[in-house]
Amino acid sequence: GESVGLHLPTLSVQEGDNSIINCAYSNSASDYFIWYKQESGKGPQFIIDIRSNMDKRQGQRVTVLLNKTVKHLSLQIAATQPGDSAVYFCAEKEGNQFYFGTGTSLTVIP
Amino acid sequence: DGGITQSPKYLFRKEGQNVTLSCEQNLNHDAMYWYRQDPGQGLRLIYYSQIVNDFQKGDIAEGYSVSREKKESFPLTVTSAQKNPTAFYLCASSMLVNTEAFFGQGTRLTVV
Repeated sequence: GESVGLHLPTLSVQEGDNSIINCAYSNSASDYFIWYKQESGKGPQFIIDIRSNMDKRQGQRVTVLLNKTVKHLSLQIAATQPGDSAVYFCAEKEGNQFYFGTGTSLTVIP
Repeated sequence: DGGITQSPKYLFRKEGQNVTLSCEQNLNHDAMYWYRQDPGQGLRLIYYSQIVNDFQKGDIAEGYSVSREKKESFPLTVTSAQKNPTAFYLCASSMLVNTEAFFGQGTRLTVV
């Protein structure tokens, strides 16, 4: 399968600051990308997705950016809150399979 | 409520015993997946199924078996052939087109 990796395994931010989590993917044929949030002991929850015909998509306090030229995906969280502390995974979909990165652990400092 | 349900949440088994993890969804999704998650690692695909009575091996299928007799159910059996079965197991489902996978809350299996 294709590899999906993350640049930073851990990230600590002050409450109220913006967070940026990065992800690199290797399969240029992937056409659908998703960010998930996973709290300890729970299943991943969908945050936001983006298709390859877009380069930016915004949700509530979150923005996903896709740079197909360098095969890079990022998740921006505005005004980070303590409840945002979790592990964040990017995933790419190739055909009917999802490929996940190892995750970035985000810690929000009150 | 629509969703995907895994049971049990915690499971303990003795080494050498087979164990079956349950996964049920009422989302009318065609595709279902089983992933394994180890500490500090991402999700690794064990098996997936795109349609009833059909399933495909993922990257780490050895020591596992599945069945897909009904659209809403995709149980995973961890056999005694799986050398390191202690892990967090996640089931997911999705439509076949480009939509996200919905995950269950996971089953933590501990083999002693």
